[in-house]
Amino acid sequence: DAGVIQSPRHEVTEMGQEVTLRCKPISGHDYLFWYRQTMMRGLELLIYFNNNVPIDDSGMPEDRFSAKMPNASFSTLKIQPSEPRDSAVYFCASSRLGQSVSGNTIYFGEGSWLTVV
Amino acid sequence: KNQVEQSPQSLIILEGKNCTLQCNYTVSPFSNLRWYKQDTGRGPVSLTIMTFSENTKSNGRYTATLDADTKQSSLHITASQLSDSASYICVVSAMEGGGNKLTFGTGTQLKVEL
Repeated sequence: DAGVIQSPRHEVTEMGQEVTLRCKPISGHDYLFWYRQTMMRGLELLIYFNNNVPIDDSGMPEDRFSAKMPNASFSTLKIQPSEPRDSAVYFCASSRLGQSVSGNTIYFGEGSWLTVV
Repeated sequence: KNQVEQSPQSLIILEGKNCTLQCNYTVSPFSNLRWYKQDTGRGPVSLTIMTFSENTKSNGRYTATLDADTKQSSLHITASQLSDSASYICVVSAMEGGGNKLTFGTGTQLKVEL
């Protein structure tokens, strides 16, 4: 299996521009997560989907952030307009969770390194 | 508020030596605890997952322990190698609304030197 695939791996953009990050989860996984990682705050959950439906978006920092999952094999995280404080590594992860949620492994992508100048 | 605290923040050891990383948590109701290894510039990779009833789990040279009474976990690395240089992240799950809510520690940065 190719694992969780994210693109772009690196992006540098100017403040005010729209940023779209993409993710392809592992085939057969029914949960997809978007995380943000910074030196100061570590890994933070932004939003997660179950069977393409957003379940918990309480971690999305503000209205400038939005995420979609139009089908089981694709998700996007969009920032519009971007700001310098959005500079971070954004990770997508996927998992197959059953009724017994203990013991499930969450697989992370390699991350999208975003710099907003 | 659910919290996960890791110590030390960073650690430098010589190749071949052992080390122990600590994780203290205040997460309730507890579901499971995971240790992840994150190489520089890469995504986190799962090392171990422990539920309430498990107090130790090994993955090669990595051994994790869990004391659910004191809400502490440790990750012991035996005979360290240069490739062990990475950030080690403790993640604790709480059962909420029929699912898991993860709380991440900020990690321990380990450097193994010759």
